[in-house]
Amino acid sequence: KNQVEQSPQSLIILEGKNCTLQCNYTVSPFSNLRWYKQDTGRGPVSLTIMTFSENTKSNGRYTATLDADTKQSSLHITASQLSDSASYICVVSANTGTASKLTFGTGTRLQVTL
Amino acid sequence: EPEVTQTPSHQVTQMGQEVILRCVPISNHLYFYWYRQILGQKVEFLVSFYNNEISEKSEIFDDQFSVERPDGSNFTLKIRSTKLEDSAMYFCASKVQKTGQETQYFGPGTRLLVL
Repeated sequence: KNQVEQSPQSLIILEGKNCTLQCNYTVSPFSNLRWYKQDTGRGPVSLTIMTFSENTKSNGRYTATLDADTKQSSLHITASQLSDSASYICVVSANTGTASKLTFGTGTRLQVTL
Repeated sequence: EPEVTQTPSHQVTQMGQEVILRCVPISNHLYFYWYRQILGQKVEFLVSFYNNEISEKSEIFDDQFSVERPDGSNFTLKIRSTKLEDSAMYFCASKVQKTGQETQYFGPGTRLLVL
């Protein structure tokens, strides 16, 4: 069964600090992995997408890594801001040719405080 | 920047009533999706829609659910006889192409509460 596990479940950090969120998946056959940011009461917004051949991808202060061998990904947030407070969801797509085969993680809830 | 819109933002209904959730996908997108997220749980796929027909659906999408694209712009999700367990956030998403590399753009969601 395809699964995506994320850790930690929640995280509180001080503004300006860095943090790293983890994602482990057992999705086969793997197509790509996305990180989404979901503000409370809003829809998810895509941050990064990585395919099998990509090890790292950045989007501003967000840097995602992918190790396809160990089936792990991380999202590193640099110099956090209050607006980074949100849930971060790891979503893995299976290579079926239909984008509906997305498996969502439960997310990491990040709170950035003063 | 174009975005997916959804109405209403909140809906409260009595168990057994019919509800219709509405979505306006991004105008040049061809593939449409509905997802739901029960409070505190992960996002779950419901159904995908292309060329005026369902292309795929999950086991959640039973006979109580239906989708429609009635006028070329709106994309609706109907729940015929709501149950308490249908209470959730419902997200519409759309994307341009079928390939797995294209990003799905999500709407802001409709929060449905069934009493």
